[in-house]
Amino acid sequence: LAKTTQPISMDSYEGQEVNITCSHNNIATNDYITWYQQFPSQGPRFIIQGYKTKVTNEVASLFIPADRKSSTLSLPRVSLSDTAVYYCLVGGNNAGNMLTFGGGTRLMVKP
Amino acid sequence: GAVVSQHPSWVICKSGTSVKIECRSLDFQATTMFWYRQFPKQSLMLMATSNEGSKATYEQGVEKDKFLINHASLTLSTLTVTSAHPEDSSFYICSASGGDHYEQYFGPGTRLTVT
Repeated sequence: LAKTTQPISMDSYEGQEVNITCSHNNIATNDYITWYQQFPSQGPRFIIQGYKTKVTNEVASLFIPADRKSSTLSLPRVSLSDTAVYYCLVGGNNAGNMLTFGGGTRLMVKP
Repeated sequence: GAVVSQHPSWVICKSGTSVKIECRSLDFQATTMFWYRQFPKQSLMLMATSNEGSKATYEQGVEKDKFLINHASLTLSTLTVTSAHPEDSSFYICSASGGDHYEQYFGPGTRLTVT
């Protein structure tokens, strides 16, 4: 399984765009990149998943360069409620594919 | 869609007793379920993977006789912590995938406190 590296923590202010970058140098050809959000004492919540280029949904965008050795989660106009831990994971997009969680990035959004 | 529930949400038990935690996929058939453990301020650690109708596969260092996992149906998996000790106190989270849902969907977690 590809190992991921993320910043331990980030601070931001309400209304700003936040970009969290994840390194996954040994990503395999069939690996997808998935981001999860976790609030204290809750299970992780799926945010977005992608394979290459750019993916956008109603809450975030995911940018993946051509070499796929990194990815960037972009949260537009964060609010206080976006304060959470964000995990980047890579793995095959197969039903039942297990996930290895790295340390995650603790995002603190300040007023 | 893709809702996963856990029961109970929190439990306190005495040392030496056993505790069962249920994980249910409410609106899809989960061919695979995963159990994680998370200590305060730490990341999730995979404990075991279970496929419906077969024995669970445990990660290295996880005692299979202590953490009993049963995945008897496509919507239910249970984790039983046997002879619990205070060091087993943790946040236990399950996830499920299957059918049209390739990504894992996580339950809300169960906080276990062993006194």
